Amino acid sequence: NAGVTQTPKFQVLKTGQSMTLQCAQDMNHEYMSWYRQDPGMGLRLIHYSVGAGITDQGEVPNGYNVSRSTTEDFPLRLLSAAPSQTSVYFCASSRRQTAYGYTFGSGTRLTVV
Amino acid sequence: GNSVTQMEGPVTLSEEAFLTINCTYTATGYPSLFWYVQYPGEGLQLLLKATKADDKGSNKGFEATYRKETTSFHLEKGSVQVSDSAVYFCALSASGQAGTALIFGKGTTLSVSS
Repeated sequence: NAGVTQTPKFQVLKTGQSMTLQCAQDMNHEYMSWYRQDPGMGLRLIHYSVGAGITDQGEVPNGYNVSRSTTEDFPLRLLSAAPSQTSVYFCASSRRQTAYGYTFGSGTRLTVV
Repeated sequence: GNSVTQMEGPVTLSEEAFLTINCTYTATGYPSLFWYVQYPGEGLQLLLKATKADDKGSNKGFEATYRKETTSFHLEKGSVQVSDSAVYFCALSASGQAGTALIFGKGTTLSVSS
């Protein structure tokens, strides 16, 4: 049981490049979400999904796109990378009964130069 | 809207000292409350949780009680160890804004010295 798998673990991009951060879970969780972690800011919600085909914006969605074509996968797309998107990105998943808590991936450290 | 406020760090303690990290929340309805821990260079791990008023979550010697009257969920440990050095996040999950995704506090860094 792998849990939540994020790839890549590290990435360096040039300003203006695009890329996709991958997230997959094998727990059949309905809920998935993306966060970014910045020093002194805690974790801020970028986008979330309550099931396949359903996504919505969180606190800081600008510059990011998501889709949820399957229950297992929830990729995060950076459309045109900017230095302000330098951050550590975490994907998380949960059962519909979120009282059980979310399971987090190990993160992707992204640097935009 | 829903929000979480936790005490700012860093918190520096000697081994075997008592730990309290304060956390208060604002939420509509009846949220579930969580403490997550992040060790250096790692992702977040669920430390403990409570889903209704007066529930006490506990794990690895840490405890927190869901206090609806004071909207608080303070984290405590009677005797900290060097291995407890980490960043601790208080979080809530409530229906409303952002669906039921977790809303986090900004985190509190704990440093324990021997």
